[in-house]
Amino acid sequence: QVQLVESGGGVVQPGRSLRLSCAASGFTFSTYGMHWVRQAPGKGLEWVAIISYDGSNELYADSVKGRFAISRDNSKNALYLRMNSLRAEDTAVYYCAKSPAPMGYYLDWWGQGTLVTVSS
Amino acid sequence: DIVMTQSPDSLAVSLGERATIKCKSSQSVLSNSDNKNYLVWYQQKPGQPPKLLISWASTRESGVPDRFSGSGSGTDFTLTVSSLQAEDVAVYYCQQCYGAPLTFGGGTKVEIK
Repeated sequence: QVQLVESGGGVVQPGRSLRLSCAASGFTFSTYGMHWVRQAPGKGLEWVAIISYDGSNELYADSVKGRFAISRDNSKNALYLRMNSLRAEDTAVYYCAKSPAPMGYYLDWWGQGTLVTVSS
Repeated sequence: DIVMTQSPDSLAVSLGERATIKCKSSQSVLSNSDNKNYLVWYQQKPGQPPKLLISWASTRESGVPDRFSGSGSGTDFTLTVSSLQAEDVAVYYCQQCYGAPLTFGGGTKVEIK
């Protein structure tokens, strides 16, 4: 059974940095693209970033481009999101999600999410 | 960017009745190369992450009850729950997977009348 478990969320001051992690199991991690998607409290879904199966290709939403970096370690079945220069509007639950293809553009499995709160 | 517009924002349906949700994309998500509509539907129950219900506009995922169906092509799509059950109370989202950035509709909240 596919499992995605996010960690690393918490309360952080504006302008500071945070790194989220996602531990994957139950599938061959190194063959699938992976995403981060966020959801502000009481709001809808916003796609954040995708990384290809081998880490060679990354794409970002304009709202995070230049501030966030997605990465993966296939030897550890782990996905990461480095978030710099955090803003209040980055406050959200961050979901790690799997795509059904090496660089697929939809999400067939989601983690439970980790809450990031940006506040002074 | 492709803008996804869902309607209505919310609806209340009696148990056993039909629920219909619309999703419109700002440009066609029908691929000329493979004739597939790059449109998916998710269900998000309270306190849970989204769950993939339907891919390619009309293909139900494994384990999804057959009361859920998707239809449409090009820019106009519909998710139908043919006979609403209590466990279908959720917010439903459409998402285009035609190109980056991936974009979602604003969501439709389905409740029991």
